[in-house]
Amino acid sequence: GDSVTQMEGPVTLSEEAFLTINCTYTATGYPSLFWYVQYPGEGLQLLLKATKADDKGSNKGFEATYRKETTSFHLEKGSVQVSDSAVYFCALSESRGGGFKTIFGAGTRLFVKA
Amino acid sequence: DGGITQSPKYLFRKEGQNVTLSCEQNLNHDAMYWYRQDPGQGLRLIYYSQIVNDFQKGDIAEGYSVSREKKESFPLTVTSAQKNPTAFYLCASSIGAISTDTQYFGPGTRLTVL
Repeated sequence: GDSVTQMEGPVTLSEEAFLTINCTYTATGYPSLFWYVQYPGEGLQLLLKATKADDKGSNKGFEATYRKETTSFHLEKGSVQVSDSAVYFCALSESRGGGFKTIFGAGTRLFVKA
Repeated sequence: DGGITQSPKYLFRKEGQNVTLSCEQNLNHDAMYWYRQDPGQGLRLIYYSQIVNDFQKGDIAEGYSVSREKKESFPLTVTSAQKNPTAFYLCASSIGAISTDTQYFGPGTRLTVL
């Protein structure tokens, strides 16, 4: 079945460091790919998405490229800030029987130190 | 401001009691969802609804029930049949039910069974 695997956390970085959070997926069809972020005590919010191969999603300095050949959607940011400390979830959505199904990764917690 | 509200933020329940979690959205979205989040795990789908008066079971529906009598409301009842209900519950909505649609999440309800 479909699945999403992301790197285990926590990831601890100093402010202004480069961030990569790896995400790979397995899917039977052509899913859309998402990164959601969850700040402490809150629900998830969309960070970025890509709906077809080679698309690049970007938002707030974060980027991820939909790589079909490597089934990956790695999240990157050139210079992290303390305010980026949160849990990041990779997810895929695929059409199923008149609707769609979303599968979330386990989440990667990021700590950014000042 | 448009968004999704969940209440209460914290809920305590004694074993053997049913409890209902509220979810309301004013985004005029057709589709709504309930997820369960446990520590260190991704989100798991409990129930979803693509249209008023219709809903389908997700991956972990046992011990839960829902209703969708109004477009803006999708309450979740955690019944006494749910063996391990202590968790963080997230409600979400999307404009439609296609795989490219972004899901918008509420702030969550943390349920603790005493």
